[in-house]
Amino acid sequence: AQSVAQPEDQVNVAEGNPLTVKCTYSVSGNPYLFWYVQYPNRGLQFLLKYITGDNLVKGSYGFEAEFNKSQTSFHLKKPSALVSDSALYFCAVRDSNYQLIWGAGTKLIIKP
Amino acid sequence: EAGVAQSPRYKIIEKRQSVAFWCNPISGHATLYWYQQILGQGPKLLIQFQNNGVVDDSQLPKDRFSAERLKGVDSTLKIQPAKLEDSAVYLCASSLSPSNSPLHFGNGTRLTVT
Repeated sequence: AQSVAQPEDQVNVAEGNPLTVKCTYSVSGNPYLFWYVQYPNRGLQFLLKYITGDNLVKGSYGFEAEFNKSQTSFHLKKPSALVSDSALYFCAVRDSNYQLIWGAGTKLIIKP
Repeated sequence: EAGVAQSPRYKIIEKRQSVAFWCNPISGHATLYWYQQILGQGPKLLIQFQNNGVVDDSQLPKDRFSAERLKGVDSTLKIQPAKLEDSAVYLCASSLSPSNSPLHFGNGTRLTVT
């Protein structure tokens, strides 16, 4: 079955430290991978995507993600966390039928 | 560019009443999506349009939910009659294409059914 897993409901990081939000997937064919962020009372906002090419993709607000085909992962990273990064983060993957499959979300809390 | 516009922002109704939500996508975006997001969960696709045709409505509760995109631009989502479990945020999103283009979301309509 095609799926996306975000194994951590919540991630806590101190401001200034590096952060990682994990995502693994299971789809048929070549995946198109996306990360979105959701701030309170707002819609989801696109951060970055992997379609093809370089496994390390850079996105908005200093975020980046690394595509790892062998581990079927697409973890979101940032070298130095800001308090304003606190939000809900969703990983999504588009399969070969163009259906978008969403993870359950990870709440990121950055403590000053 | 202007973002995806949704209205109303909030709506409170009693169960068994009807409600409608409106969405205006980004200009030129052929693909339009309606999602339901329950607090603390990821978005659940209700219906996807490509221009004015339905691509996927497999998770739309068709006995009470309906949606249309008559001219391939604006869209409305209706619930009639509403149930308590319909309390959620209804998100509209649009994209240039259904393949590798990212989705652009509106701020959503928060529906409370009492």
